[in-house]
Amino acid sequence: GAGVSQSPSNKVTEKGKDVELRCDPISGHTALYWYRQSLGQGLEFLIYFQGNSAPDKSGLPSDRFSAERTGGSVSTLTIQRTQQEDSAVYLCASRPVSGDNQPQHFGDGTRLSIL
Amino acid sequence: QQQVKQSPQSLIVQKGGISIINCAYENTAFDYFPWYQQFPGKGPALLIAIRPDVSEKKEGRFTISFNKSAKQFSLHIMDSQPGDSATYFCAASMDSNYQLIWGAGTKLIIKP
Repeated sequence: GAGVSQSPSNKVTEKGKDVELRCDPISGHTALYWYRQSLGQGLEFLIYFQGNSAPDKSGLPSDRFSAERTGGSVSTLTIQRTQQEDSAVYLCASRPVSGDNQPQHFGDGTRLSIL
Repeated sequence: QQQVKQSPQSLIVQKGGISIINCAYENTAFDYFPWYQQFPGKGPALLIAIRPDVSEKKEGRFTISFNKSAKQFSLHIMDSQPGDSATYFCAASMDSNYQLIWGAGTKLIIKP
């Protein structure tokens, strides 16, 4: 079946430009997460959406980062005025809420390179 | 108190050997402990998970050992194969909000 889909798979842009990263979660999954993974590093939590509740933005590293989730499905992570330190793989995950400890299902990420 | 400490950072094991990765936590409110496996260019995928009411869970060649009093848990991969070469992440969460707290990852290489 369809998994979590992220686009683009790779993005190269110049410092100072804005970028938008897209995540299509698994249908019916009400929880959606964004993470950042630097080369060879662990996962850094960015933001969490759960249904119609206010998102948990506690992991966003600066006000240049924002995310939205339209209609409880597709999510877009926007990075404004990109910096070289923003270069990383951005991972999206979704999970159903019903049922105990349902696992997070990850997409394959967007590899962002800032020149 | 929210950290999950994972070791080693990297591990090389001969084919057929046992791979062991360890994690430790501080927050006694954690009650769900998954392990994720990540291959290069892919997102992490759930491998196996445990709740603290059991001390061990086995699925095929993969076993989680859980020591509640020591606040430690480990992943054992028996008869390690080259296809097991990947990065492994431990994590922990509290049931109420299911925010996963992630370990830093272990890069495992199985030598043929």
